[in-house]
Amino acid sequence: AQSVTQLGSHVSVSEGALVLLRCNYSSSVPPYLFWYVQYPNQGLQLLLKYTTGATLVKGINGFEAEFKKSETSFHLTKPSAHMSDAAEYFCAVRRVTGNQFYFGTGTSLTVIP
Amino acid sequence: EPEVTQTPSHQVTQMGQEVILRCVPISNHLYFYWYRQILGQKVEFLVSFYNNEISEKSEIFDDQFSVERPDGSNFTLKIRSTKLEDSAMYFCASSYLAGGGYNEQFFGPGTRLTVL
Repeated sequence: AQSVTQLGSHVSVSEGALVLLRCNYSSSVPPYLFWYVQYPNQGLQLLLKYTTGATLVKGINGFEAEFKKSETSFHLTKPSAHMSDAAEYFCAVRRVTGNQFYFGTGTSLTVIP
Repeated sequence: EPEVTQTPSHQVTQMGQEVILRCVPISNHLYFYWYRQILGQKVEFLVSFYNNEISEKSEIFDDQFSVERPDGSNFTLKIRSTKLEDSAMYFCASSYLAGGGYNEQFFGPGTRLTVL
């Protein structure tokens, strides 16, 4: 069975500070891993994904995430937060074979001026 | 840039009524999905649809739910007799491929369903 845990339902950072959003997954085999962002009144937008290859993946808006198999983690980071980064962030996994996504409960990011 | 659209953005209905949520997937996509997000909870998979039939469904997707692609553009989710617990945000998604590492699902903005 697949499951995703996002530690911290709310994270606040100062503008310019490091953003770290945590995601751990539970899966019998390493799945594909995704981070989605949801701005108010909008759909889910793909930030980045890990499928195979390099374990450090770069996404849009300066975000990146590192797949650590030994820790079953896929934490999302950004070196310097911007006000426009305020949104809800969802970590998701998908089996290598199959279409169903399993989402975490989301982390709401607040950026303080 | 092509996008998935959903209508209406907000639907209010009485318990026991039927509702149809509509989605227009990206035009060349072949796979279609519905997810829901109850307020404060995680996004949950409901169903995937390909070649005019359901390919996967979750335990949430019971006999009260049905999906249809009535024409070449729309993809609908019908809830036959709504319950209070059906109140949620419903997201439609589509993808060109399925499986593999290149199956990116594009999500619509969602329809907020409120059952009174």
